[in-house]
Amino acid sequence: SQQGEEDPQALSIQEGENATMNCSYKTSINNLQWYRQNSGRGLVHLILIRSNEREKHSGRLRVTLDTSKKSSSLLITASRAADTASYFCATVASGGSYIPTFGRGTSLIVHP
Amino acid sequence: EPEVTQTPSHQVTQMGQEVILRCVPISNHLYFYWYRQILGQKVEFLVSFYNNEISEKSEIFDDQFSVERPDGSNFTLKIRSTKLEDSAMYFCASSRQGLRVQETQYFGPGTRLLVL
Repeated sequence: SQQGEEDPQALSIQEGENATMNCSYKTSINNLQWYRQNSGRGLVHLILIRSNEREKHSGRLRVTLDTSKKSSSLLITASRAADTASYFCATVASGGSYIPTFGRGTSLIVHP
Repeated sequence: EPEVTQTPSHQVTQMGQEVILRCVPISNHLYFYWYRQILGQKVEFLVSFYNNEISEKSEIFDDQFSVERPDGSNFTLKIRSTKLEDSAMYFCASSRQGLRVQETQYFGPGTRLLVL
């Protein structure tokens, strides 16, 4: 299966700490995307990283991609209570459909 | 900031009934999608739609499902005869260009469907 799998399944931290979530996948990708989902709400696109990129930043978010290890990580620095949400990685396979395939997500709780 | 909207936010229906879920994509977007998320499970792709026709669909999107763009703003998902296992959150999404150009999809807040 192409699906990305996030690790850990759940993460609980204090405000101000950094949160790191990982995503592993099985086959070659065109790109990998990270999404946030607040409880009961829709998905919000955070970052798209292409297969030829190694790192991207957006505000307090840093995404890395290691295609040799077939893994990606999402780092949220100086976390806030408002960062509490589920975070999903979604992979787009190379050479096929461009529809992203989602993982199960990491549930992040940031305690104030 | 423009956003994708969906109605209703919640829908309860009896097994075997037809339901229509509605979405208003972002106005200058040309590509539309439906996904679903069964409680506690992954987000799954259902169908993509462009130029008034289905461009791609998953195994889940069987003959019970249909999509339509009845006018210039709405995009609907119809489930003809609902089953218990259709209970899920249904998300609509849209993008300005197709995903081949690695375009961002914008998701709506979802419709929670409960089939009894």
